[in-house]
Amino acid sequence: QKEVEQNSGPLSVPEGAIASLNCTYSDRGSQSFFWYRQYSGKSPELIMSIYSNGDKEDGRFTAQLNKASQYVSLLIRDSQPSDSATYLCAVNGREYGNKLVFGAGTILRVKS
Amino acid sequence: EAQVTQNPRYLITVTGKKLTVTCSQNMNHEYMSWYRQDPGLGLRQIYYSMNVEVTDKGDVPEGYKVSRKEKRNFPLILESPSPNQTSLYFCASGTGGYEQYFGPGTRLTVT
Repeated sequence: QKEVEQNSGPLSVPEGAIASLNCTYSDRGSQSFFWYRQYSGKSPELIMSIYSNGDKEDGRFTAQLNKASQYVSLLIRDSQPSDSATYLCAVNGREYGNKLVFGAGTILRVKS
Repeated sequence: EAQVTQNPRYLITVTGKKLTVTCSQNMNHEYMSWYRQDPGLGLRQIYYSMNVEVTDKGDVPEGYKVSRKEKRNFPLILESPSPNQTSLYFCASGTGGYEQYFGPGTRLTVT
């Protein structure tokens, strides 16, 4: 089992819809969870961080964390074509030591 | 402006010719790290540093060296590059294993 798993996609949604991106992780002791956005040929950009169970909202983005089920998700409301990118889930935990473990990423395509 | 810089951005070299990719950050972060990104394999950590003179191996350290003599700089050294080190390299800095901020990337081709 991979440490951090994401569906590779592509996930296609129409403009204005809600995009839902999911991530599961194996280390039950994980404490910190991050979502990065990466445009093609560019570096990953941190867009959300979440540390406790529940929802965290920032503009059109909502991160959801469920430690009991070991998953974290990212919702993008009112999706725009400019949201088309690869979204990387990253997790930090005791088992991972002093590093972030990244999922392989989900490609999101927003169609206008 | 808070940033992580890398140089060069693009590099084509030949097998066995030593090279160094520089990384510098101006955010006074203690933690710095190098990743490589390959299609289908995602981001993999090469080396990281918790502070000056403190470095440790990541997941794929073979063929790479690093040093951390100053807090702001964390160069990646390939003593004898091989074609399987052709990749996109990212330097990052941050606060321990928490939020990390990435440089613009260095695309390396080894022929």
